[in-house]
Amino acid sequence: KAGVTQTPRYLIKTRGQQVTLSCSPISGHRSVSWYQQTPGQGLQFLFEYFSETQRNKGNFPGRFSGRQFSNSRSEMNVSTLELGDSALYLCASSLDASAWGTDTQYFGPGTRLTVL
Amino acid sequence: KNQVEQSPQSLIILEGKNCTLQCNYTVSPFSNLRWYKQDTGRGPVSLTIMTFSENTKSNGRYTATLDADTKQSSLHITASQLSDSASYICVVSGRNTGKLIFGQGTTLQVKP
Repeated sequence: KAGVTQTPRYLIKTRGQQVTLSCSPISGHRSVSWYQQTPGQGLQFLFEYFSETQRNKGNFPGRFSGRQFSNSRSEMNVSTLELGDSALYLCASSLDASAWGTDTQYFGPGTRLTVL
Repeated sequence: KNQVEQSPQSLIILEGKNCTLQCNYTVSPFSNLRWYKQDTGRGPVSLTIMTFSENTKSNGRYTATLDADTKQSSLHITASQLSDSASYICVVSGRNTGKLIFGQGTTLQVKP
């Protein structure tokens, strides 16, 4: 069974630009969560989607948005990039809503975003 | 403020030795607590998930304990191997809050 895939793996952008990251969950998984990981802040929860609906959102500005398609694939968009947005963006999938339940989350390898 | 604090920040042990990592949290009300292992350059891998009613859970050489009264959890690694070298992250889920609070992680290095 294929794992969670994320594309692209690496991305370099300049300040002010926008970026879209993609996540394909494990087949059959309906919940997709997004996380930002930086050396200073560690892992932080961005948002979770389940059946095309955003169920929960972390404490990030509105520049960070996402969506989920009917096939459970998800995209995350960051507009007006800032230097501080440089991070590893991780996506995780699970069978059902995972943030509060006990379903195992399976993480992808992440997208390394560098903002210059 | 909901917080998750892990200790030690980093740890070096010899192959074959045991070690214990700590996680203290203030998240309340509490739903569940997870331990993840993250190898350098890779996404985290789930080790254990415990609800507030569980005291211990094992996954091979990894055993997590939870004391919901004192809001403390530990991850015990038995007979360490070189492949255990990684960051170990504790994550606490708040009940009804929709929030996940992450610890800063403990970096473990196992030396031959």
